[in-house]
Amino acid sequence: QKEVEQNSGPLSVPEGAIASLNCTYSDRGSQSFFWYRQYSGKSPELIMFIYSNGDKEDGRFTAQLNKASQYVSLLIRDSQPSDSATYLCAVFSGNTGKLIFGQGTTLQVKP
Amino acid sequence: GAGVSQSPSNKVTEKGKDVELRCDPISGHTALYWYRQSLGQGLEFLIYFQGNSAPDKSGLPSDRFSAERTGGSVSTLTIQRTQQEDSAVYLCASSLDVYEQYFGPGTRLTVT
Repeated sequence: QKEVEQNSGPLSVPEGAIASLNCTYSDRGSQSFFWYRQYSGKSPELIMFIYSNGDKEDGRFTAQLNKASQYVSLLIRDSQPSDSATYLCAVFSGNTGKLIFGQGTTLQVKP
Repeated sequence: GAGVSQSPSNKVTEKGKDVELRCDPISGHTALYWYRQSLGQGLEFLIYFQGNSAPDKSGLPSDRFSAERTGGSVSTLTIQRTQQEDSAVYLCASSLDVYEQYFGPGTRLTVT
């Protein structure tokens, strides 16, 4: 089992829809959770982080964390073509002291 | 303010040659990380520095890879006797604490 798992996609949604990106992790000692966006040929860009169970909203983005289920998700409301990118989930493990990245989910928002 | 910078942006080298990749972190960031990303793949952790010391070198793929950081700032990743499988984008990130990492633009290494 990979430490951080994401569906590679592509996830295709129409413009204006809600895109839901999911991530599961194996280390119950994980403390902090991050979502990075990576456009093709570019480096990852931090867009959201969440430390506590529940929801955290920032503009069109909402991060959701459920530590009991070892599950973190990212919702993008009113998806735009400019949101088309690969979204990387990253989990900070207190056991290893490392930030572990998933393989990423490719999102395609179609006009 | 200035972000993380990396040089060179692109490097083409012949198999067997040594290469040095440089990373300038965000000013004041104490932690610095090196990752490798092969085409279509996720991020592979290589090494991280807290100040000038490297508590975790476990991600370095082989003894051909080494890294150092001086003055709590600039870091250099050196790959000796490069092999074709070393071709990838090498990304550097820095952070004020160990959590929120900010990435540089990367160095695309091609070994021919």
